[in-house]
Amino acid sequence: QVQLQESGPGLVKPSETLSLTCTVSGGSVSSGSYYWSWIRQPPGKGLEWIGYIYYSGSTNYNPSLKSRVTISVDTSKNQFSLKLSSVTAADTAVYYCARGTYYYDSSGFQLWFDPWGQGTLVTVSS
Amino acid sequence: QSVLTQPPSASGTPGQRVTISCSGSSSNIGSNTVNWYQQLPGTAPKLLIYSNNQRPSGVPDRFSGSKSGTSASLAISGLQSEDEADYYCAAWDDSLNALYVFGTGTKVTVL
Repeated sequence: QVQLQESGPGLVKPSETLSLTCTVSGGSVSSGSYYWSWIRQPPGKGLEWIGYIYYSGSTNYNPSLKSRVTISVDTSKNQFSLKLSSVTAADTAVYYCARGTYYYDSSGFQLWFDPWGQGTLVTVSS
Repeated sequence: QSVLTQPPSASGTPGQRVTISCSGSSSNIGSNTVNWYQQLPGTAPKLLIYSNNQRPSGVPDRFSGSKSGTSASLAISGLQSEDEADYYCAAWDDSLNALYVFGTGTKVTVL
């Protein structure tokens, strides 16, 4: 079955750029049926959707983070990546990558995330 | 800042039925389907319910979801100790700033 694994530095300095990569195994990021997504969770807090990318490169970001976020995809490596610029302590969180299944019907826009990676803690500190 | 509101906690004894509510608005739950995620301590969230009331393969039928208007509910019947976890509702929000929104989360404790 499809598995996702996040990787990247666990410590980032304030004002710098956080960079993470999600490697997909058992499936292909080139599949047109999914949105490849990033979600984060500050310690002891709830979940926040960051954004997603389609295999073609089209993206959709959380408006609250849009000015600082870039999600990209590398189909040759079966990976997708997250960059978050100008980080502060408020960006300290466990970052998850996940596969999003979507479709539209009479019920509206249906989107859910499954599976998820195990998550990686990124701490912003000098 | 979550736009989907859940009670912070819920509890029950083994075998009991526990229900978790999720309140939203016309731009999210009122317009789109609701999903539920279970997060066991120290682990990544796991999809529990999608499209309001569908269970992924492997999810016990003790878990059920429903939706009415701008609210949704997750019911756990025959509560078991391994159900102690955080539960999050989620949906797409069609407002001016379209985004995927999660609920505030509910901690379920098995007494």
